[in-house]
Amino acid sequence: KAGVTQTPRYLIKTRGQQVTLSCSPISGHRSVSWYQQTPGQGLQFLFEYFSETQRNKGNFPGRFSGRQFSNSRSEMNVSTLELGDSALYLCASSLTASMNTEAFFGQGTRLTVV
Amino acid sequence: DQQVKQNSPSLSVQEGRISILNCDYTNSMFDYFLWYKKYPAEGPTFLISISSIKDKNEDGRFTVFLNKSAKHLSLHIVPSQPGDSAVYFCAASEVTNAGKSTFGDGTTLTVKP
Repeated sequence: KAGVTQTPRYLIKTRGQQVTLSCSPISGHRSVSWYQQTPGQGLQFLFEYFSETQRNKGNFPGRFSGRQFSNSRSEMNVSTLELGDSALYLCASSLTASMNTEAFFGQGTRLTVV
Repeated sequence: DQQVKQNSPSLSVQEGRISILNCDYTNSMFDYFLWYKKYPAEGPTFLISISSIKDKNEDGRFTVFLNKSAKHLSLHIVPSQPGDSAVYFCAASEVTNAGKSTFGDGTTLTVKP
């Protein structure tokens, strides 16, 4: 079956702009999580959605937001982009959020803010 | 406050030898631990996991050990192969927040032929 699909793969934006990233989870998966990876920083948790509801949120400013649609696809939005937002944004899907399971990651969206 | 730490940024081993990657955590509420492998330009892929009710889980060449009292886990790869060269991330989660994993900063493993 198809894996997690993230679009676009690469993006270049100017400081002050806003950006929307998309994630299509594995069919049947209802939990979608977003992570930011910067060099030497590991993966920082952004937020998690389950059944169109945000269940968890990491320590990121309000400029970072997201949503999930009824088909479990998710989008994240970053407004008023800053240079420090340049990173690899990873989306992960899992079957359910009610028990511990492994997450399946997409290839990520590489965002560069200039 | 980093709750999951991988103190070795890099590790180099010879092909055929054992690779041991370490991970420490501080949050005693973590009860599920995972290792992911990441190649450049790809997302992390799940490798192996362990629940806090166990102290060892094995899958082929990969074994994860959990020492709850020390809040320490390790990943053993035996024998190591050049294709194992990648960044390895340790992650932890709580059953009440299963959709949120806390990751370490990763260890870059290089297996030399």
